[in-house]
Amino acid sequence: AQSVTQLDSQVPVFEEAPVELRCNYSSSVSVYLFWYVQYPNQGLQLLLKYLSGSTLVESINGFEAEFNKSQTSFHLRKPSVHISDTAEYFCAVSEDDMRFGAGTRLTVKP
Amino acid sequence: EAQVTQNPRYLITVTGKKLTVTCSQNMNHEYMSWYRQDPGLGLRQIYYSMNVEVTDKGDVPEGYKVSRKEKRNFPLILESPSPNQTSLYFCASSGGPSGYEQYFGPGTRLTVT
Repeated sequence: AQSVTQLDSQVPVFEEAPVELRCNYSSSVSVYLFWYVQYPNQGLQLLLKYLSGSTLVESINGFEAEFNKSQTSFHLRKPSVHISDTAEYFCAVSEDDMRFGAGTRLTVKP
Repeated sequence: EAQVTQNPRYLITVTGKKLTVTCSQNMNHEYMSWYRQDPGLGLRQIYYSMNVEVTDKGDVPEGYKVSRKEKRNFPLILESPSPNQTSLYFCASSGGPSGYEQYFGPGTRLTVT
């Protein structure tokens, strides 16, 4: 069965700094990979997903993630964060069902 | 507007008093599921449903029941709530269990005293 490990529970950064949220997965077969974002007091929203094709996927608000099959990783990056990016981010892997990581709380400080 | 709704959003109850959290989706999705979110544990699946009248246990089903009598509704039932069921609960729906984006409801914060 698939599983997901998010390597950092909390990531504090200053505004306009780059950020990387790390995600590793384990699976025996081909998988689909997702990043979801949860803003305070809200449900989860899809940020981006990898299903097939190009290993680099992008979101509309400047985040990107790269599927690395050899390292079984799907790290999320943004070159310059804003205060509004403060949220909890969940990596998820979908094989026969969907499994979520424990989450990474990103805090962007002014 | 495509959405998943849950009610109530907040609930404080006492041990042993049966409660139901409703979930409804308007996207004609076949697959629906319930998760609980606890600090440091992420989201853990409680129950899921592949279609009407088809439900199955997730990772943490103890103490919960579900039903799927209609495609759009998937209520979560706690017959005898206990304090360890204090949590944030999310309902989600999607086109299928694998490879599909899941759409989440706004969450229900349950406190059992």
